[in-house]
Amino acid sequence: AQTVTQSQPEMSVQEAETVTLSCTYDTSESDYYLFWYKQPPSRQMILVIRQEAYKQQNATENRFSVNFQKAAKSFSLKISDSQLGDAAMYFCAYASNYQLIWGAGTKLIIKP
Amino acid sequence: DVKVTQSSRYLVKRTGEKVFLECVQDMDHENMFWYRQDPGLGLRLIYFSYDVKMKEKGDIPEGYSVSREKKERFSLILESASTNQTSMYLCASSPAGTGGAYEQYFGPGTRLTVT
Repeated sequence: AQTVTQSQPEMSVQEAETVTLSCTYDTSESDYYLFWYKQPPSRQMILVIRQEAYKQQNATENRFSVNFQKAAKSFSLKISDSQLGDAAMYFCAYASNYQLIWGAGTKLIIKP
Repeated sequence: DVKVTQSSRYLVKRTGEKVFLECVQDMDHENMFWYRQDPGLGLRLIYFSYDVKMKEKGDIPEGYSVSREKKERFSLILESASTNQTSMYLCASSPAGTGGAYEQYFGPGTRLTVT
């Protein structure tokens, strides 16, 4: 069965600095999708970025980018120029059939 | 914009009560999901539905049932609420299709407390 591991329960970063959140997964499949979702305090979960496993190029969305290492089964999220609005729980997820398999989450704290 | 709404943000129920959590999406999505979110455990899938009147068990279906009579509405039912069902419940929807099926849109959540 697929599993997703986020080894950092909490991270903090100074405003305007760069932070990287880690995610590893375990699967025997060759074609799949990986996601990072963000859940701000008392607000809805939203998609941050998506990576398709067959694409070698790392996905980028404005200040958010991923480092996808397929052989190592690693999918980290880099947030550049951190802003106060980036404070949230971040979840890594793996797509299998209809379902998403979720990591436990990383709480990101932004220091002003 | 996709909108997923849930009937209550906060709910307090007594042990043994039957509890209904309602979820409505307005984007004609085929797939709908119910998750439970607990600290340190991430999101765990309770049930999902890929069509009207269709349902599939997720990872933790025990103590729960669901109903999908209309495409836009997916209800979660706690037949006899227990204290260990105190949690945040999230509803999500997604369109059909290989890639799109996985981009899920979430409601604001219902924080349920069972006393």
